[in-house]
Formats: sequence, structure tokens, C-alpha cells
Amino acid sequence: QSALTQPASVSGSPGQSITISCTGTSGDVGAYNFVSWYQQHPGKAPKLMIYEVTNRPSGVPHRFSGSKSGNTASLTISGLQPEDEADYYCSSYTTSNTRVFGGGTKLTVL
Amino acid sequence: EAQLLESGGGLVQPGGSLRLSCAASGFTFSSYAMGWLRQAPGKGLEWVSAISGSGGTTYYADSVRGRFTVSRDNSKNTLYLQMNSLRAEDTALYYCSKNRGVTLPDWWGQGTLVTVSS
Repeated sequence: QSALTQPASVSGSPGQSITISCTGTSGDVGAYNFVSWYQQHPGKAPKLMIYEVTNRPSGVPHRFSGSKSGNTASLTISGLQPEDEADYYCSSYTTSNTRVFGGGTKLTVL
Repeated sequence: EAQLLESGGGLVQPGGSLRLSCAASGFTFSSYAMGWLRQAPGKGLEWVSAISGSGGTTYYADSVRGRFTVSRDNSKNTLYLQMNSLRAEDTALYYCSKNRGVTLPDWWGQGTLVTVSS
């Protein structure tokens, strides 16, 4: 199972919005609405930010949102905060009953 | 709040075996699927395996199928990963996860480091 494709890095200034893309195939992202997003700060365990494309777990700020079109999912962070600087990973359930991750995107808040 | 504490990592030679454990607390363990994921040093996340709440159904990544076995003891609130025929590319920080549905990690432990080297 090949990894999902994410940009290696994105950046934005505080208060701005950024979008991270996640491209898969008809066997994963395009097959189900089971895309999730994780935030990982250095030396810390990942944290679930979005699940089933658009849903936020309790406690995740509303400025984090998700969407999907075809084989590409996206994570948008509005009103960037300094604490949003982290690595972000997308993940999708697959038609093989497994889960695949993207390579990760490093978000820099300028 | 869920707590997951992994143990059992260490240095092992190529071809060797290791068993990881994950002690869970703060939730009804048998009601949730659980899983294992890993992250090689400086690299991204990789899904490894998942197991249903009853333990009756298991799932594996192609990279570990036939070498790794996931299991659980609901009486001890503990998840296991038996790793055999270890390779250098299995070197990683191994995370235990509590899952939403069967394969979606929604809570992670802090990880245990496995190093495969001669």
C-alpha cells in the first residue's frame, strides 16, 4: 500500500489560513469518507484533529476543518496560531481493510 | 482520560524476536479496538496492525503480515505485539493506540523504541 501524498511543508503568518492537501487513490481516499488528520509536535505523540473527513473530536478548535473531493482530502487551519506549528499527517482507511498514512507536512507559523 | 503505557522495546539483532506490551487504563478496554503504529527516527507515521475489541479480528500492514502478531488480554487490559524475524527497517518508535471504529487511532501512548541492529 503506497503512502498518501502530502506537501513536505507549508507556512503561514499568525491569523492567516492554510490548507494541506492529501492525495490518494480510488482504493483509499476516494473509496470512503474515512480520512483523518493528526497533529504531532516534536517529541510528542500524534493527536487526532479530524476524522471521517470533516468531524472534530471534542476539544479540537473549530478553526481546524476538513474536506474531500475525489481522491484528494484537505485540512484547513483558519486563524493560524503559533501553537499550530507542528507536523500534520493525513490517513485513510483502504479497500484492503488496512490504514495508510501520508508522508507528513511540516507547518511553519512565520 | 485514556492512558496507554507501552513497554518491551529494546535492542535486538536482525532475525530476532521481541514482544511489546501496552497497558491500558481510563476506559473500558474490551469495548474498543486497539492498534499499533510506528515511526522510524525522523520519518513519518506507519500503521502496523489493529485488533477488534473481542480479539477475534486482526488486521496487518503488508510490511509486517506473517511476521508480527497482535493479541490482547481483556482480563488484564493489555495489548500485545509479538514481532518475529525482525529486520533493520523495523527500527522505530512503536505506539499503541485506542481506536475509533476498528482501525482509526484516536488516542496514542508515548511509544516504546525498538532498534534492530547487529
